[in-house]
Amino acid sequence: QKEVEQNSGPLSVPEGAIASLNCTYSDRVSQSFFWYRQYSGKSPELIMSIYSNGDKEDGRFTAQLNKASQYVSLLIRDSQPSDSATYLCAVRETGRRALTFGSGTRLQVQP
Amino acid sequence: DAGVTQSPTHLIKTRGQQVTLRCSPKSGHDTVSWYQQALGQGPQFIFQYYEEEERQRGNFPDRFSGHQFPNYSSELNVNALLLGDSALYLCASSPSGSYNEQFFGPGTRLTVL
Repeated sequence: QKEVEQNSGPLSVPEGAIASLNCTYSDRVSQSFFWYRQYSGKSPELIMSIYSNGDKEDGRFTAQLNKASQYVSLLIRDSQPSDSATYLCAVRETGRRALTFGSGTRLQVQP
Repeated sequence: DAGVTQSPTHLIKTRGQQVTLRCSPKSGHDTVSWYQQALGQGPQFIFQYYEEEERQRGNFPDRFSGHQFPNYSSELNVNALLLGDSALYLCASSPSGSYNEQFFGPGTRLTVL
């Protein structure tokens, strides 16, 4: 049974700081990795995807992937109160269509 | 450019009843996946439809069934509802040939009493 593990939090950071969210996965054939943001009572919104080792930057967001360590992370620079949400890590296994999600990390950005 | 739409927004049913949820994919997308999200958990994959066929199924009983129409819209049917079926049901669409990025609709909140 493949698993995606995330610390449930809450992770509390002050406004303007860097928030670091982490995710580990158990399946070595996982190929694609995604970060979704979910506000309370809303549906998940795709914010980053990463497919190869290294860093991928998009605005204030940076996704980092290390397949050898089975680890993917999301950095949010200059955190804003509007970034307060639950961040879901999702992985897709090679040849499979389904996304497997972690339970999410709740981020609180304090003004 | 319309995103993924789902109906209804909320639904209340009693145990043993049947329910049908509907989804229209984002313009240009022809693949629809359904997920169940219990409170405090991440979404769990139910199944995916492409070219009107179920392409992959998650670990859900046969009470969960689906359908995809020629216009790519999709339905999720759940029979013999249980209290544990109460959840947010999410539809996600993705572009043709893409196994990757999936975009979610607003969801249907199902409450089983």
